[in-house]
Amino acid sequence: DTGVSQDPRHKITKRGQNVTFRCDPISEHNRLYWYRQTLGQGPEFLTYFQNEAQLEKSRLLSDRFSAERPKGSFSTLEIQRTEQGDSAMYLCASSLPGGYYGYTFGSGTRLTVV
Amino acid sequence: EDQVTQSPEALRLQEGESSSLNCSYTVSGLRGLFWYRQDPGKGPEFLFTLYSAGEEKEKERLKATLTKKESFLHITAPKPEDSATYLCAVQAWNNNDMRFGAGTRLTVKP
Repeated sequence: DTGVSQDPRHKITKRGQNVTFRCDPISEHNRLYWYRQTLGQGPEFLTYFQNEAQLEKSRLLSDRFSAERPKGSFSTLEIQRTEQGDSAMYLCASSLPGGYYGYTFGSGTRLTVV
Repeated sequence: EDQVTQSPEALRLQEGESSSLNCSYTVSGLRGLFWYRQDPGKGPEFLFTLYSAGEEKEKERLKATLTKKESFLHITAPKPEDSATYLCAVQAWNNNDMRFGAGTRLTVKP
């Protein structure tokens, strides 16, 4: 197992376009999380899946953001009608049940909206 | 609301100069406190989990301790390869996610 994989590593898009990111978690991990991180700040929670069920979404997550995890394996995060304020690093993490042993993060997708 | 404050924001040390990083937190029922290391352009890398006041964990030159209000990450005789941002996060019993602090950016000069 090579850890949590995220694709693409970098994405530059024009304002108003839609973008989609993919995350492949560690296969034994049933929990999957999406976080967003801006420069000089810690990661900020966006949403969380247990298997294929999306159990929690941050109040900060606007209607332009949607996430899926079909069949409880990989996950996608889509941002519609991107805005310049969406520019950030989008991090995916996975964990065993309970998350007591910490999360394993991917290397992230850096989004730049121009 | 759960809050995590890390200090200092940045710390510059000479190689071999020991120091401590602070993480102050407020949480409604602590399930766990986590320390991560993050290198530029990469995701956070898990270091430690602490569950109860008085607990200590060690890994190489790093030692994490926990009280009811704060955690410390002690770095003994640091090397340049310890340069990174160190993040602290808390998880409450009534939450499924972690709340992160802004991190301490550590630079160790040879």
